[in-house]
Amino acid sequence: DAGVIQSPRHEVTEMGQEVTLRCKPISGHNSLFWYRQTMMRGLELLIYFNNNVPIDDSGMPEDRFSAKMPNASFSTLKIQPSEPRDSAVYFCASSPSGTSYEQYFGPGTRLTVT
Amino acid sequence: AQSVTQLDSQVPVFEEAPVELRCNYSSSVSVYLFWYVQYPNQGLQLLLKYLSGSTLVESINGFEAEFNKSQTSFHLRKPSVHISDTAEYFCAVGVSEKLTFGTGTRLTIIP
Repeated sequence: DAGVIQSPRHEVTEMGQEVTLRCKPISGHNSLFWYRQTMMRGLELLIYFNNNVPIDDSGMPEDRFSAKMPNASFSTLKIQPSEPRDSAVYFCASSPSGTSYEQYFGPGTRLTVT
Repeated sequence: AQSVTQLDSQVPVFEEAPVELRCNYSSSVSVYLFWYVQYPNQGLQLLLKYLSGSTLVESINGFEAEFNKSQTSFHLRKPSVHISDTAEYFCAVGVSEKLTFGTGTRLTIIP
């Protein structure tokens, strides 16, 4: 299995631009998670889906952030408009149901907003 | 709500020396406990987990962790570290399909 795939691996954009991060979970996994990692705040859960349905988005910082999962093999995290404080590494992780929360992480997308 | 505390942000250790990375958690409900490892420029990888049963769990690369319910701890240990163990280590608690992570401990191995 290829593991969790994220694209792009690096993104540099200017403040105010729209940013879209993409994730392909491991085939057969039912849950998908988006995290943000920064030096100041560590690893934060932004949102998670189960069977393509958003279950908990309480970690989404504000309305500029949105996430979708149109099917079992694809998810996006969008930031519009982006701000410098959004600079972070964004991870996607997936998990098969019923496995007691074992999550498999992608390599991450390093976002820099200038 | 649950929380995880990793008291040491950085731990330098000489090669072949033992190491302990500390983790304490707080939760009002039963939890599952995890240690993840993050190598430079990579995502997190599961190192070991405690779900139930024996309170001592081991990984394939020589790490072990012991669940101590009375002390609400899940410390990670290795009797002899190698250069390849250089990484950041995250403790996490699992409740309701979500993981809450600690702030991480950066393990540096000194040759």
